[in-house]
Amino acid sequence: EVQLVESGGGVVRPGGSLRLSCAASGFTFDDYGMSWVRQAPGKGLEWVSGINWNGGSTGYADSVKGRFTISRDNAKNSLYLQMNSLRAEDTALYHCATTVNTDYYYGMDVWGQGTTVTVSS
Amino acid sequence: QSALTQPASVSGSPGQSITISCTGTSSDVGGYNFVSWYQQHPDKAPKLMIYDVSNRPSGVSNRFSGSKSGSTASLTISGLQAEDEADYYCSSYTSSSTNVFGTGTKVTVL
Repeated sequence: EVQLVESGGGVVRPGGSLRLSCAASGFTFDDYGMSWVRQAPGKGLEWVSGINWNGGSTGYADSVKGRFTISRDNAKNSLYLQMNSLRAEDTALYHCATTVNTDYYYGMDVWGQGTTVTVSS
Repeated sequence: QSALTQPASVSGSPGQSITISCTGTSSDVGGYNFVSWYQQHPDKAPKLMIYDVSNRPSGVSNRFSGSKSGSTASLTISGLQAEDEADYYCSSYTSSSTNVFGTGTKVTVL
């Protein structure tokens, strides 16, 4: 079964850090691009960051550029999101998703259920 | 990176066809064929319905179709069914090497 499982969410104070992980199974992980997408409570989808199949190409939304870092470990079938200098507006459900091709700009066809990040003092 | 513009809501009766628009610029929708559409039911993860403007993933009903003209992409749902009631989001690659989602459209089946 093709599956993505996120972990690492939690409650953190403004200015703090968290590292999200996404464990992939059931498919050849290093054949596909990956993205992180978040959804604040009651709001729409927001693309956060993406990475191509070998980690050689990455992209970030302006809202997180310079604070978040995406990476992947193909040997461990895992995707990561290092989040620093967290703000209240980063509070959301964070999904990882894999694309239909090798880069992150393709459609995202497999999604995890998400991990919740709450930034609050 | 402004969100792509979608109508807030679209409604139709069972069996009818509806179309959801997604308006961007020449720096996103108009400049690339990397437009996707997602369906999201309440408290569920999004589901890919269309990618690369008009391609349907395996398992997605052929009642769903996508197209693009200039900087506006469209998703058409034909033969509307009760199970189609959900939120729909478009997405596009941009000239800034990012992706951007649309504002979202709530589809109601009357």
